[in-house]
Amino acid sequence: EVQLLESGGTLVQPGGSLRLSCAASGFTFSNYAMTWVRQAPGKGLEWVSVISSSGSSTYYAGSVRGRFAISRDNFENTLHLQMNNLRADDTAVYYCAKGLLGDCSGGACYFDYWGQGTLVTVSS
Amino acid sequence: EIVLTQSPGTLSLSPGERATLSCRASLSVSSSYLAWYQQKPGQAPRLLIYGASSRATGIPDRFSGGGSGTDFTLTISRLEPEDFAVYYCQQYGSSPQTFGQGTKVEIK
Repeated sequence: EVQLLESGGTLVQPGGSLRLSCAASGFTFSNYAMTWVRQAPGKGLEWVSVISSSGSSTYYAGSVRGRFAISRDNFENTLHLQMNNLRADDTAVYYCAKGLLGDCSGGACYFDYWGQGTLVTVSS
Repeated sequence: EIVLTQSPGTLSLSPGERATLSCRASLSVSSSYLAWYQQKPGQAPRLLIYGASSRATGIPDRFSGGGSGTDFTLTISRLEPEDFAVYYCQQYGSSPQTFGQGTKVEIK
């Protein structure tokens, strides 16, 4: 059974930093692209970032490029999202999700399994 | 960036009725790379449909997807109580991938 468990969400001040993690199990993690998608309170889904199976390719939404960094540890089966210079509009539930085998062409693909999410609140 | 517009915003129906949800793209979606997700309150999204019309693993056959180019639909043939939720479309044919704003299917 595929399981994705996010952690690291908390309250942080504007301008602060946070690192989210997603522990994966139930599939061969190193074979699949992975993504972060966020959802602001009461709002829709917003794609944040994708990383290829090897970690050699990364893609970002314009709203986070230059502030967020996605990475993965294929030995520990863990996905990370380093978030810097956080703003109030980054407040959201952050979901990790499993993508396609290998890479998502141009960073775009669908996501077949999702974690339950971790809440990041940016406020003073 | 392709903008996806879902309609209606809210659909009020009774169990057993047919639901038809629309997703319109601002530009043609390459290779019908269009997915649909279901989200219930407090839960993560669940993949229903990918490639515009292929059902994901374990999805009942009352869910069907169709369309191409800029116009796509998700149809639920007979609504079950567990189908009342918010539905999102997503295009992954061009970067950046984008989501629609969602359609809420509520009990009438």
